[in-house]
Amino acid sequence: EIVLTQSPGTLSLSPGERATLSCKASQTISSSYLAWYQQKSGQAPRLLIYGASSRATGIPDRFSVSGSGTDFSLTISRLEPEDFAVYYCQHYGSSLFTFGPGTKVDIK
Amino acid sequence: VQLQESGPGLVKPSETLSLTCTVFGGSVSGGSHYWSWIRQSPGKGLEWIGYIHHTGSTNYNPSLKSRVTISVETSKNQFSLKLTSVTAADTAVYYCARDQGGSPFFDSWGQGTLVTVSS
Repeated sequence: EIVLTQSPGTLSLSPGERATLSCKASQTISSSYLAWYQQKSGQAPRLLIYGASSRATGIPDRFSVSGSGTDFSLTISRLEPEDFAVYYCQHYGSSLFTFGPGTKVDIK
Repeated sequence: VQLQESGPGLVKPSETLSLTCTVFGGSVSGGSHYWSWIRQSPGKGLEWIGYIHHTGSTNYNPSLKSRVTISVETSKNQFSLKLTSVTAADTAVYYCARDQGGSPFFDSWGQGTLVTVSS
């Protein structure tokens, strides 16, 4: 089973700053089977980016991903007030879906 | 498409947790979508429980497989979750979700329902 680790646990930044969130897999995985979600308090997760770099419907281009092998990143180029939330990475492999523990992006 | 979970918010230890997800604006019988249950607890984060296809094909998380049954009722546009022999560790917000169809990522989620296991 692939285990996903996310860091940092919490990222404190100001609006307008750049955020870089890490997702590390316990084994080499394909970016084609990795996704990122955003979750705000009291809401369900929302799909942001999936596959190598496809944005879900309505997701602005300030969200981007990079990485390969075991190390992947989600970058928010300039934080908007609505971007302060928890972000999860998710992998699919061997008929199993797994999620990382999440990174909280909060306002500094 | 919109999904809505329903079911008891309180279940006693050792009993069976039963939830239903009703699909609006789409069909559980349509396309190649798989319909999942996912739960979220403070201790374990997001945990995929299992999925079903409208053909009845299922796949469960090995960690829960012995206690989980997911079924679909196409005439009601619903799918359901049963989790047996629950303990306090099963206390969580339970979500139903749909994958993208041909792509293993969840693009539609219900709002979630909190299920507490307590006597």
